[in-house]
Amino acid sequence: SAVISQKPSRDICQRGTSLTIQCQVDSQVTMMFWYRQQPGQSLTLIATANQGSEATYESGFVIDKFPISRPNLTFSTLTVSNMSPEDSSIYLCSVMLGTGPNEKLFFGSGTQLSVL
Amino acid sequence: DAKTTQPPSMDCAEGRAANLPCNHSTISGNEYVYWYRQIHSQGPQYIIHGLKNNETNEMASLIITEDRKSSTLILPHATLRDTAVYYCIGSGGATNKLIFGTGTLLAVQP
Repeated sequence: SAVISQKPSRDICQRGTSLTIQCQVDSQVTMMFWYRQQPGQSLTLIATANQGSEATYESGFVIDKFPISRPNLTFSTLTVSNMSPEDSSIYLCSVMLGTGPNEKLFFGSGTQLSVL
Repeated sequence: DAKTTQPPSMDCAEGRAANLPCNHSTISGNEYVYWYRQIHSQGPQYIIHGLKNNETNEMASLIITEDRKSSTLILPHATLRDTAVYYCIGSGGATNKLIFGTGTLLAVQP
């Protein structure tokens, strides 16, 4: 497994501002992902954070709204830009460990974001 | 990624086995079946995964039908701490992405 640390664990933000969420892993990983979980809903994949290149976004998510950085194999950030109350969610960082039949996805504890 | 179908909720008595079903009729030959659970707003926790054969670990057993169109997660002796949303996910191959469905809320009753 891996230790995945997310900061902040929670925040309350004003409409129109931006928040950057950090994800630090205690080992080098190739695959990192960002998920969103809206209140009472399942998890939705936002993007794959690629080291050294632009993130790969899922349908419905765009770089201008959710810019992602991945400067190295242990760290990534997700920014939620120009926030509105609809962005109130839990944002989760995850990493894929292992190869082939031993691949497993591990999650951080999440960032609870409330937008007023 | 295979689409999965799970019942929205299930009850189980404490100490009894909890059997959580999942249909994944569109799963392809190289896609694994993963099970995760999420306890009240924590990050999802890995439980078990398999390809074709049944699997068992310290948390649970996974029974996959021969045609791979469905599977069952078995918690052999459910406790109150097993109350959570359980997600069945079919994924693998080149994308390495896990796409979560709606899951099953398992309520373990005392």
